[in-house]
Amino acid sequence: EVQLVESGGGLVQPGGSLRLSCAASGFTVSSNYMSWVRQAPGKGLEWVSVIYSGGSTYYADSVKGRFTISRDNSKNTLYLQMNSLRAEDTAVYYCASQRTDDAFDIWGQGTMVTVSS
Amino acid sequence: AIRMTQSPSSLSASTGDRVTITCRASQGISSYLAWYQQKPGKAPKLLIYAASTLQSGVPSRFSGSGSGTDFTLTISCLQSEDFATYYCQQYYSFPYTFGQGTKLEIK
Repeated sequence: EVQLVESGGGLVQPGGSLRLSCAASGFTVSSNYMSWVRQAPGKGLEWVSVIYSGGSTYYADSVKGRFTISRDNSKNTLYLQMNSLRAEDTAVYYCASQRTDDAFDIWGQGTMVTVSS
Repeated sequence: AIRMTQSPSSLSASTGDRVTITCRASQGISSYLAWYQQKPGKAPKLLIYAASTLQSGVPSRFSGSGSGTDFTLTISCLQSEDFATYYCQQYYSFPYTFGQGTKLEIK
């Protein structure tokens, strides 16, 4: 079964750091484009970052310089390292694969990140 | 960034109705457009990609059309499980952007 499972969310103080993980099964992370998308409480969807199969990475301006996307091919897992967190980063974070024409075809269940003192 | 504008923002309809949601891009995106369905507390689900291609396993009552700047999602005969929020999304250029969502509610 093709599946993505996120972990690593939680409560963190402003200025703090957190690393999210997204474990894939049923397909190979490194062979596909993979993204992180977030959704603030009661709000719409916001794309955060993508890593291409070749390793190139791109970020939304709102997180550039603070967040880093990466993957561990041996663990078939995607990561999002989040530093210098702000209250406005509070959201559910989803990882998603882009195996179908670059649309987000498989999504994880999401992990909640709350930035608050 | 390309701005995606959906209309309406909310919509009330009855089971069996035909409904259409529109999505307009602030600049041309060819056919690099997807539609998603999201239910409360759940991850979004891909319905349509490349503007008009039905994702595997999605019922045929869903259809998409358009290219360039104007797109539509049509649900031909609403079922109870279709009441949800729908988002369009462009993947023509970075940053990928979503519409603000259309909440489809039961009349």
